[in-house]
Amino acid sequence: DAGVIQSPRHEVTEMGQEVTLRCKPISGHNSLFWYRQTMMRGLELLIYFNNNVPIDDSGMPEDRFSAKMPNASFSTLKIQPSEPRDSAVYFCASSFGWANTEAFFGQGTRLTVV
Amino acid sequence: KNEVEQSPQNLTAQEGEFITINCSYSVGISALHWLQQHPGGGIVSLFMLSSGKKKHGRLIATINIQEKHSSLHITASHPRDSAVYICAVNLIQGAQKLVFGQGTRLTINP
Repeated sequence: DAGVIQSPRHEVTEMGQEVTLRCKPISGHNSLFWYRQTMMRGLELLIYFNNNVPIDDSGMPEDRFSAKMPNASFSTLKIQPSEPRDSAVYFCASSFGWANTEAFFGQGTRLTVV
Repeated sequence: KNEVEQSPQNLTAQEGEFITINCSYSVGISALHWLQQHPGGGIVSLFMLSSGKKKHGRLIATINIQEKHSSLHITASHPRDSAVYICAVNLIQGAQKLVFGQGTRLTINP
């Protein structure tokens, strides 16, 4: 398996634009996580899905952020409108099982909003 | 106060030295993870443990549930071990969620 695949790897956009980050989890994994990493706050969980259903989105910073998982092999994280403070590295991770399982991370998407 | 605290924040050592990175947590957990993040940015899971000790090559992870403390040890350190090491825990409530420490930046000089 190729692992968790994220795209794009880098994204530079202007403030106010819509940004869509994409993630393909490892085949067979039924849990998917979106994380954000910044220098100030480190890694933070934004939202996670189990069997394509959002379980906890309490980490989503505000209504400008939304995430979907239309099927077991694809998820998106959308920011609309984007702001400079959204600049960060966004990681997607997947795992098999409900709890206490090893998570496999994608390479991340480095987002810069200017 | 963060729920997961790591020490030290930065560590520089010479090749061959024995390395210890510490992680303390203040909440009830069901499991603890050690992750490695290389300068390129990718994150790799090293260990997941809920008791005792695990070993993989030159890496050893231990956890003391009563003391709410875990350590990651690296024996015979090598420059390629240079990375950020991150401790993360699964909370008992909401066990799928990972709560992360701030990371320890390790630099091994040749």
